[in-house]
Amino acid sequence: TQLLEQSPQFLSIQEGENLTVYCNSSSVFSSLQWYRQEPGEGPVLLVTVVTGGEVKKLKRLTFQFGDARKDSSLHITAAQPGDTGLYLCAGGPPAQKLVFGQGTRLTINP
Amino acid sequence: NAGVTQTPKFRILKIGQSMTLQCAQDMNHNYMYWYRQDPGMGLKLIYYSVGAGITDKGEVPNGYNVSRSTTEDFPLRLELAAPSQTSVYFCASSYSYSGQTYEQYFGPGTRLTVT
Repeated sequence: TQLLEQSPQFLSIQEGENLTVYCNSSSVFSSLQWYRQEPGEGPVLLVTVVTGGEVKKLKRLTFQFGDARKDSSLHITAAQPGDTGLYLCAGGPPAQKLVFGQGTRLTINP
Repeated sequence: NAGVTQTPKFRILKIGQSMTLQCAQDMNHNYMYWYRQDPGMGLKLIYYSVGAGITDKGEVPNGYNVSRSTTEDFPLRLELAAPSQTSVYFCASSYSYSGQTYEQYFGPGTRLTVT
């Protein structure tokens, strides 16, 4: 069974600080997706990475896929209150059986 | 476009009751999925479908049934509800063609409590 472990599970920081969230597995994934979920809503896709070592940027968010395609990280620069939410990583062929991590609940305090 | 819609938003069931969670999408996606999300956890796949008439089990299918008679609709049936089925249920859809896969779009969820 493929598993994805996210760390930390909870993170509370001040506005303007930087942070990194990690998503690790002992299994190789063909792709890795990051989602953000706000209270009372479904997850919304932020990015998909498919190549080992790939780096993608989305404004202040930087996503990296590990060289061996077993891990990924999400780095946020100068965090803002609007970044608050549950961040989920998910691995596998997107159209089939995605495996989700347990999530990182991020709170950015003004 | 409405995207993925789910009804109801909230429901309380007594142990042993049955119900159907409705899911519909208007994006002409061929793939549809049902997930459950327990407090503090990620999503676990219950069932998925790659097209009308075709369904398959996910990670946690016990206690649930699905059908896919049309491209648009993918209802999830709970028979003999148990407290362990208390969760938030998400329906999702995506498009896949010739090996190219695209993102999953999620509905707003149904919060189910079984007491």
